[in-house]
Amino acid sequence: GAGVSQSPSNKVTEKGKDVELRCDPISGHTALYWYRQRLGQGLEFLIYFQGNSAPDKSGLPSDRFSAERTGESVSTLTIQRTQQEDSAVYLCASSLRAAGKKLFFGSGTQLSVL
Amino acid sequence: EDQVTQSPEALRLQEGESSSLNCSYTVSGLRGLFWYRQDPGKGPEFLFTLYSAGEEKEKERLKATLTKKESFLHITAPKPEDSATYLCAVQVGGNEKLTFGTGTRLTIIP
Repeated sequence: GAGVSQSPSNKVTEKGKDVELRCDPISGHTALYWYRQRLGQGLEFLIYFQGNSAPDKSGLPSDRFSAERTGESVSTLTIQRTQQEDSAVYLCASSLRAAGKKLFFGSGTQLSVL
Repeated sequence: EDQVTQSPEALRLQEGESSSLNCSYTVSGLRGLFWYRQDPGKGPEFLFTLYSAGEEKEKERLKATLTKKESFLHITAPKPEDSATYLCAVQVGGNEKLTFGTGTRLTIIP
């Protein structure tokens, strides 16, 4: 595809439900990132994948959050037992390994937990 | 802990009125400083990467500069289409993640 694609664009869920967010990176991009953007706050790093290496999960806020990536393609971010504080825009980005951190971002998934 | 602070939080300028946005950082082992632009409802869009003090990059009406403590994004004769939130981010040491500031929301009034 032409850019990073995220789905759904909006998700409304009830507290306690599980949600799954999807990211399709740019073809050929080996690095993939998930960030969270709460209203009025900066982007918060969640997780980084690079090829077949072990992911950097250091930004995941709790064990309710997990992410997977199959090879160098699609990634899913799963939030279990959602809480109201999980409400945010979840952004995915991809990059070429040697691109000097020129990240290409998707438009994000707006998650609202009621 | 690595910190990135952007100022001002918001800035309103008349069309053609030049100004600068500031990004100050406190990190150990800066590998790169990045500027992104974010429009409402969209993901950030890459503008510049700066690697060492004294470096400058330009793109149309924007020029980014870097010192050992801060970076400036200079906007010359801005137009309404330059209205956006401008984000600064740093990459530190052996980390692959970028640490972002909270951004400056720029509004250019026609």
